[in-house]
Amino acid sequence: AQKVTQAQTEISVVEKEDVTLDCVYETRDTTYYLFWYKQPPSGELVFLIRRNSFDEQNEISGRYSWNFQKSTSSFNFTITASQVVDSAVYFCALSESDSWGKLQFGAGTQVVVTP
Amino acid sequence: GAGVSQSPSNKVTEKGKDVELRCDPISGHTALYWYRQRLGQGLEFLIYFQGNSAPDKSGLPSDRFSAERTGESVSTLTIQRTQQEDSAVYLCASSLNSGVNTEAFFGQGTRLTVV
Repeated sequence: AQKVTQAQTEISVVEKEDVTLDCVYETRDTTYYLFWYKQPPSGELVFLIRRNSFDEQNEISGRYSWNFQKSTSSFNFTITASQVVDSAVYFCALSESDSWGKLQFGAGTQVVVTP
Repeated sequence: GAGVSQSPSNKVTEKGKDVELRCDPISGHTALYWYRQRLGQGLEFLIYFQGNSAPDKSGLPSDRFSAERTGESVSTLTIQRTQQEDSAVYLCASSLNSGVNTEAFFGQGTRLTVV
């Protein structure tokens, strides 16, 4: 069963618009970790954030922000004032206690930012 | 090295042939991971190593797939009797250890095409 769902396949925005990427996860663990990765056209995955299940505080890093809500099992990601360089595929992933080394990825959301 | 290195970057092989994909992790990283990414899809976990042992090989899709790691360094993913459905990008990642607080760094992948 899919443990991480990214329902948006592709989002297109014009530069300077905000874009929010949805991520819904499923786990029975009480301790788990959530991640976001960026995959630009070059193909190499770039780590963006890791959040543990006990920390529901929202996080902001520059133009990036994350909204973690355990009540809805969601870990959404917002890019504020998008730029062309933000064009990439973004993946949400889950790590559970039975195998910390194993990241379970969603299908990804392609973000296209046009000038 | 500076990052995770994978070779070859591209491999075209005939159906039925065996292939070996190589991953050189970041020096000092004890954990190493293999993922597969089919075109337009998310990453599928294959196997991970902590040192030279593989605590979780649950993602290997069939007995045609195997992986080994020697000297807590290089890892080789071998696919025997390749099939067309094996065509994908194979991504390797490494981290300091497999604990939950360590970030995984990804290589640029090996694009395998089975014709």
